[in-house]
Amino acid sequence: ETGVTQSPTHLIKTRGQQVTLRCSSQSGHNTVSWYQQALGQGPQFIFQYYREEENGRGNFPPRFSGLQFPNYSSELNVNALELDDSALYLCASSLASGSYEQYFGPGTRLTVT
Amino acid sequence: EDKVVQSPLSLVVHEGDTVTLNCSYEVTNFRSLLWYKQEKKAPTFLFMLTSSGIEKKSGRLSSILDKKELSSILNITATQTGDSAIYLCEGRTGNQFYFGTGTSLTVIP
Repeated sequence: ETGVTQSPTHLIKTRGQQVTLRCSSQSGHNTVSWYQQALGQGPQFIFQYYREEENGRGNFPPRFSGLQFPNYSSELNVNALELDDSALYLCASSLASGSYEQYFGPGTRLTVT
Repeated sequence: EDKVVQSPLSLVVHEGDTVTLNCSYEVTNFRSLLWYKQEKKAPTFLFMLTSSGIEKKSGRLSSILDKKELSSILNITATQTGDSAIYLCEGRTGNQFYFGTGTSLTVIP
């Protein structure tokens, strides 16, 4: 059974640029959630995808967008990067939406300069 | 505004001590509360609690939910240096997830 994987591991971008982060869900999982974790803070929920549809969204602006593919892997896209977007981006997959435990990937460390 | 608050923010104990970590939540349409351990990057799942008063146990770790008090505790007995980590609490509705800031636990040999 393959766990949750994310790519890239680290990324450095300039303010105003766009970035795409990728996540492969655990085998058999059809739900992926994305989180932003700033240093010293808990993860902040960005959005969740369930069977290729957005199923819930946190308090993030529209420049944060996502996709889920038929194989249930997912992308997080961030446009017009700001310095405050520098954080660890975590994705987590679960068997389904709702009260299921989540399995987190190792994260992508994004630095915006 | 929905939120989850954890206390204390940090804790330093000696090996063998017992610790209690606290989590309180204000989550509309609350469904479940989860605990995670975060050592480097990926949080790892510890417990999911949905019913009040039912203790969940895994080895030296245990947790219980009190829906009346809108809170949960995570107990770790006979702490070991490997327990050093950040412990995160998550309150969940159907499709919204709220994490606390975490409690940083350091276990000294």
